[in-house]
Amino acid sequence: RKEVEQDPGPFNVPEGATVAFNCTYSNSASQSFFWYRQDCRKEPKLLMSVYSSGNEDGRFTAQLNRASQYISLLIRDSKLSDSATYLCVVRAVSGTYKYIFGTGTRLKVLA
Amino acid sequence: DTGVSQDPRHKITKRGQNVTFRCDPISEHNRLYWYRQTLGQGPEFLTYFQNEAQLEKSRLLSDRFSAERPKGSFSTLEIQRTEQGDSAMYLCASSLPGQGSYEQYFGPGTRLTVT
Repeated sequence: RKEVEQDPGPFNVPEGATVAFNCTYSNSASQSFFWYRQDCRKEPKLLMSVYSSGNEDGRFTAQLNRASQYISLLIRDSKLSDSATYLCVVRAVSGTYKYIFGTGTRLKVLA
Repeated sequence: DTGVSQDPRHKITKRGQNVTFRCDPISEHNRLYWYRQTLGQGPEFLTYFQNEAQLEKSRLLSDRFSAERPKGSFSTLEIQRTEQGDSAMYLCASSLPGQGSYEQYFGPGTRLTVT
């Protein structure tokens, strides 16, 4: 089983739609969680950290479920510019700075 | 531009040659990471520095790979006797010091092609 698993997609959605991605992680001792966005042939860019209480940034909402070991990202009112690959990232365990990336979920927002 | 910078952006080399990449982190960031990313995959952790100390290395980092950060500022990643399987994007990231500061910021990467 991979340490961090994501559905690779692609998710093709119309503009204005709401789309949700899930990511599961295998190590229950994992500490920190993030979503990154990566455009084609570019570097990953931090989208948001994921906190235990859940957090929201504009149209983006992230949730963490430690009991089921998954994190989610919800994008509301999708824009064409949201088309990208969304990477789920987990910092392995306390005392380490090793970050595990999922393979990413591709999103295409269609006009 | 005060972001993470990497040099060169692209490198084409012949199998068996040595290559060296450089990363300049954001100036106040004392943590520095190297990753490798191949097509369709997420970045894979290679190594981590805190200041000049290399604190973690992945098993992916074979003895042909070496990384340094001699003065705790910029870092270099060297690959000796390159193989075609080394072709990938090599990404550098940095983050702030301090407990709870775990967000990483990536450079544009160095794309390596081994022919």
